[in-house]
Amino acid sequence: DVKVTQSSRYLVKRTGEKVFLECVQDMDHENMFWYRQDPGLGLRLIYFSYDVKMKEKGDIPEGYSVSREKKERFSLILESASTNQTSMYLCASSFGSGSGTYETQYFGPGTRLLVL
Amino acid sequence: DQQVKQNSPSLSVQEGRISILNCDYTNSMFDYFLWYKKYPAEGPTFLISISSIKDKNEDGRFTVFLNKSAKHLSLHIVPSQPGDSAVYFCAASVYGAGNMLTFGGGTRLMVKP
Repeated sequence: DVKVTQSSRYLVKRTGEKVFLECVQDMDHENMFWYRQDPGLGLRLIYFSYDVKMKEKGDIPEGYSVSREKKERFSLILESASTNQTSMYLCASSFGSGSGTYETQYFGPGTRLLVL
Repeated sequence: DQQVKQNSPSLSVQEGRISILNCDYTNSMFDYFLWYKKYPAEGPTFLISISSIKDKNEDGRFTVFLNKSAKHLSLHIVPSQPGDSAVYFCAASVYGAGNMLTFGGGTRLMVKP
């Protein structure tokens, strides 16, 4: 079974703090994704990475950055947390674009972040 | 503008009856569609998918129907069970677009015993 783990289930931070969210997958997947989930808006893609040290902006990258130094680990960074970044953050991974097929994304359990 | 829409934020169904969840999309380039199920405090899990070359895909109690001309898909759950109570997300992708998915807003399904 694919396992995607996220470093924290719940986080409470203060406005202006730098926040790190970490995600690890154990299936040697090439692709990794960060989403945020908000009521009525579904999952919106923040950033994704298709290889080590590679990253692509998603639909809502503003206020976020990412880091992928190792294949299994993908970090989301909030440089200066703001209250409008209070949300559920979900990490996902998938096998890789070279497979030539459609692929399923596998999700971690999520981190619920509250910014005060 | 949302390219994938689930217009019903919630749906309540009696146990044993059919649940029908709907999804509309606007981007005609989408050629692969997925449904994910999400329980509270858990990540979404893949449920069923359909390619645009098909109009129906079935897996046990779950069937997805695709109407390309209407840009509409639906998920049928028959019979519905209380354990099906969850939020269901429709997602769409374009082949070759790096496996990026565009999600709808979700529909909360409640199956009453």
